[in-house]
Amino acid sequence: DAMVIQNPRYQVTQFGKPVTLSCSQTLNHNVMYWYQQKSSQAPKLLFHYYDKDFNNEADTPDNFQSRRPNTSFCFLDIRSPGLGDAAMYLCATSREKTGGSMNTEAFFGQGTRLTVV
Amino acid sequence: GQNIDQPTEMTATEGAIVQINCTYQTSGFNGLFWYQQHAGEAPTFLSYNVLDGLEEKGRFSSFLSRSKGYSYLLLKELQMKDSASYLCAVMDSNYQLIWGAGTKLIIKP
Repeated sequence: DAMVIQNPRYQVTQFGKPVTLSCSQTLNHNVMYWYQQKSSQAPKLLFHYYDKDFNNEADTPDNFQSRRPNTSFCFLDIRSPGLGDAAMYLCATSREKTGGSMNTEAFFGQGTRLTVV
Repeated sequence: GQNIDQPTEMTATEGAIVQINCTYQTSGFNGLFWYQQHAGEAPTFLSYNVLDGLEEKGRFSSFLSRSKGYSYLLLKELQMKDSASYLCAVMDSNYQLIWGAGTKLIIKP
């Protein structure tokens, strides 16, 4: 059973038209991440939530926003998509550190491939 | 700055063994991950090393030397389905994952 689910898998949006990508998880993990990955490049972290605590990367454009209404769901909002925002958007979760031991394997959703036309 | 280096592309033959290297410089270290990513799909977890040494999991093994800032992923008995990109990622002192750009592995019959 899928544990991190992203919808939709493929999204086409118009230049400048707001778009929202969604992610849900059944793992009850405290940490949720949004990554942007362009072809043949490493995933680039946009932001992450540690529970309700939002952490924005310094170089994430203001055009990208995120919401996490509860533990299970996280949304990526792109307010005015440009052609350069076409990419794969990956949602991931990881377990909170407990008792000083770490096993922070990140579980990824299948990604949403965004096309901007 | 933080940096993860791995070869851009490697080619190997079906049934053979291949070693993909990864070197890193990060602010702190809380473990190194290897992920496999097929074209157009999300990364899937392969291995996690936080102590020096070799971790073996079936056909895949991962090695870590923290003093050298070095890891490798060893794939044995290569199959065509192993053609993918292999991403090395290090968790730094802030528990942030720093990613390499990935090594594209091409398997030839």
